[in-house]
Amino acid sequence: EAQVTQNPRYLITVTGKKLTVTCSQNMNHEYMSWYRQDPGLGLRQIYYSMNVEATDKGDVPEGYKVSRKEKRNFPLILESPSPNQTSLYFCASSPRLAGGDNEQFFGPGTRLTVL
Amino acid sequence: AQSVTQLDSQVPVFEEAPVELRCNYSSSVSVYLFWYVQYPNQGLQLLLKYLSGSTLVKGINGFEAEFNKSQTSFHLRKPSVHISDTAEYFCAVRSSSGAGSYQLTFGKGTKLSVIP
Repeated sequence: EAQVTQNPRYLITVTGKKLTVTCSQNMNHEYMSWYRQDPGLGLRQIYYSMNVEATDKGDVPEGYKVSRKEKRNFPLILESPSPNQTSLYFCASSPRLAGGDNEQFFGPGTRLTVL
Repeated sequence: AQSVTQLDSQVPVFEEAPVELRCNYSSSVSVYLFWYVQYPNQGLQLLLKYLSGSTLVKGINGFEAEFNKSQTSFHLRKPSVHISDTAEYFCAVRSSSGAGSYQLTFGKGTKLSVIP
């Protein structure tokens, strides 16, 4: 089944403890992206990747890191999480993004709470 | 830069009544437009999209949207809603060229509540 998977689905952690949220897609998509969703703010893009070893900042990149060493995986890293990073996180992928009919497929979400 | 404004944060409507969820965008270049739906405790699912051609776009679950370039709008409509349509709806825009073509920008969402 074609899908985007995220792990973990739920995570409660403490301020300053490094964590990684994994994202994997099995559709051979070039483009992947991370968003955070907060009440009343909609989805805001954190980082995106056009292909392997090609990443760029979205609208809210502060406090996050990403890497794209292989096409299928796009982990989101919080080196020193803070309470303002408590949010619902979505990973998405599409065949490519620029130019044309490229629907983004979303993962199920990761609910992160930073105490 | 591109941006999206969803004019209503919450829309209550009675079952079997029509509904319109409003979306306006801004961009200096031509755009692709999308509506996504998020059911409670789930991820996002594409409802419909406008890429080019006919300005009236039909999507899943009986929804449709009309692209109006002069008014920079892409309003979502359904002639008769069901309880199962209760969800949050997001309008999104992506530029067809330039730096913005790599970013999908979302509105803040509209919560549709269908009242029995």
